[in-house]
Amino acid sequence: EAGVTQFPSHSVIEKGQTVTLRCDPISGHDNLYWYRRVMGKEIKFLLHFVKESKQDESGMPNNRFLAERTGGTYSTLKVQPAELEDSGVYFCASSHSRGPAYNEQFFGPGTRLTVL
Amino acid sequence: AQSVAQPEDQVNVAEGNPLTVKCTYSVSGNPYLFWYVQYPNRGLQFLLKYITGDNLVKGSYGFEAEFNKSQTSFHLKKPSALVSDSALYFCAVRGSNYQLIWGAGTKLIIKP
Repeated sequence: EAGVTQFPSHSVIEKGQTVTLRCDPISGHDNLYWYRRVMGKEIKFLLHFVKESKQDESGMPNNRFLAERTGGTYSTLKVQPAELEDSGVYFCASSHSRGPAYNEQFFGPGTRLTVL
Repeated sequence: AQSVAQPEDQVNVAEGNPLTVKCTYSVSGNPYLFWYVQYPNRGLQFLLKYITGDNLVKGSYGFEAEFNKSQTSFHLKKPSALVSDSALYFCAVRGSNYQLIWGAGTKLIIKP
């Protein structure tokens, strides 16, 4: 079974530019999560998709961030325009099902974003 | 508010000695607790979880964690450390909307 993949692994952009991160979850996983870790701080939740619907986007920092999951498969996270404080590692995770029981989240390798 | 604290930025242990990485949490209701590990240039890997049942949870790579409700702690342990255990360790609790709420991470360094 292929794991969660993320592209690109690294991205270096200038302040004000646009960057799009992609996440391919494990096939069949309805839940997809985005997290980010900024400057060695704790990992922060950004948002959660269930299939193509945004279940919870309470962690999105501002309207410069736009996440989509068309068709309920892969997801993109666009930052436009990027600011210096957006630098960090963006992680994607997926899980199989949602319910009263725990659902383990499987993580991708992350995308390291550097905004200059 | 729900939160996780990892009080140590770094833990140094000699190879062969037991190790402990500390984690405390604050959450309403019953906690769902997790440990993940991140090796250099790799993604986050699941180590173990506590949902219910025995307070001592066994996980991957010989790690275990002890859930202590009265102390609201979930410390990660291993009886005998290996150099290859050197990595960044994260404790997390599941939030009310199934998202994970994370500690800041603890860098574990195992010296030969």
